[in-house]
Formats: sequence, C-alpha cells, structure tokens
Amino acid sequence: QSALTQPASVSGSPGQSITISCTGSSGDIGGYNYVSWFQHHPGKAPKLILYDVTDRPSGVSIRFSGSKSGNTASLTISGLQSEDEAEYYCGSYTSNSVFYAFGTGTKVTVL
Amino acid sequence: EVQLLESGGGLVQPGGSLRLSCATSGFTFSNYAMSWVRLAPGKGLEWVSSIGGSGTGIYYTDSVKGRFTISRDNLKDTVYLQMNNLEVEDSAMYFCARALKGYAYYGMDVWGLGTTVTVSS
Repeated sequence: QSALTQPASVSGSPGQSITISCTGSSGDIGGYNYVSWFQHHPGKAPKLILYDVTDRPSGVSIRFSGSKSGNTASLTISGLQSEDEAEYYCGSYTSNSVFYAFGTGTKVTVL
Repeated sequence: EVQLLESGGGLVQPGGSLRLSCATSGFTFSNYAMSWVRLAPGKGLEWVSSIGGSGTGIYYTDSVKGRFTISRDNLKDTVYLQMNNLEVEDSAMYFCARALKGYAYYGMDVWGLGTTVTVSS
C-alpha cells in the first residue's frame, strides 16, 4: 500500500531533542496540510499529538512540535522524557490510491 | 468524556466472517465520520475504512474492497465493520477512531482500545 516513510527507530537521552521525519508525495503530505502525528504505547489506544501539521490538541505537551517542507513532515520532541518512549506514526489524507495513509512507524527509545 | 469501545473480535478460520462493533458515547455521533484502523503483529498502523457522519462517503483500502463493509447506526451511536472471506493477512488489532473535526480526511482524534482478530486454521 501507499505508506508514508519514517525511520524505523530514533533514540535520545533524557532532556535532548529528537526529530522524526515522514516522507510522502505531492498527493499527500506535499499537497495538503492534513498531516497528523500519533503516539502509541503498546496495549493502549493511539493518541493524537499533532494535527494539521503544527497544531496540538488540548492537553498535549508543548514539547511536541511539527513542521512540513515539501513532501516531508517532521515531528520534534524537545526535552525528551522516559514517558515519550513509544511508537510514533504520521498520517495524512492522500489523493493517491488509498484515502488515508499512515507512516511506517518510528520506535523512540529514551536512553 | 468521549469513549469508543470495540467488540466482536475473535479467532476465525480463513474464509470465515466476523462483525466488529464500536459503541460510542460522549459526543454527537452523527456529526462525525468514523474510521477503522488495524495494527498487525510486527507491522504499522494501516487505515482500513471510513464512513461519513450520515452514512455516505464510504472508503476502503484496496486489500479489503469487496470483502469488508463499513456501516453505522446513528440511533445506536455505533459503527460496524462486517468482515467476510477473511484471510490470514487480516489478523490484527482493529481500532475504531473518530474523525478529527468531523471529516475523515482530517485524520482521527479519539481512538478505542481495539479488538483482536485472529485468522488461522
């Protein structure tokens, strides 16, 4: 299927900042500002942490921020904390063959 | 509080059928599109299907077209996923999710805990 591309893993020490990229095409990330980011801890419901590229839902830490350049969106986690250790997925509406596409997922490890 | 509760998962043989349900509460259900998303063991999230708030605007990922049917009952605040002719590759945790800002193309803002589907002989 038309999954968006993310690095398999990213790691950092507590207090550091990390950035996760999400690469798509002009039919999804490049063409629309409907990029979301989700945090998933195993056994729990996925959680929306960013939407419309840069916006944070109420209650989500300001340590999470987003940006987009061309066909690539990015999630930055500042001041890394142990609780940030989870799987992170980007997602976007797509005019390609599928209606909605998720990224391949990035495992964040706090060293 | 917005809540989504999936049910209906289980173990089924290849070629079999299951009907998943997602009971919701805490919001005006008919104002929101709903989606099903799955997570297979060792793989990433995969969007499966979405349905508009009025029951129109239905979309499926290619691998389930012709086999899965999404529907909703706005009187029961429940969305369903009828899964027929199941394949081993359909084995996954299935999540129900509410559409962000009411429309499926924006993404999902609230998710359930999921229900597990295992297709095996």
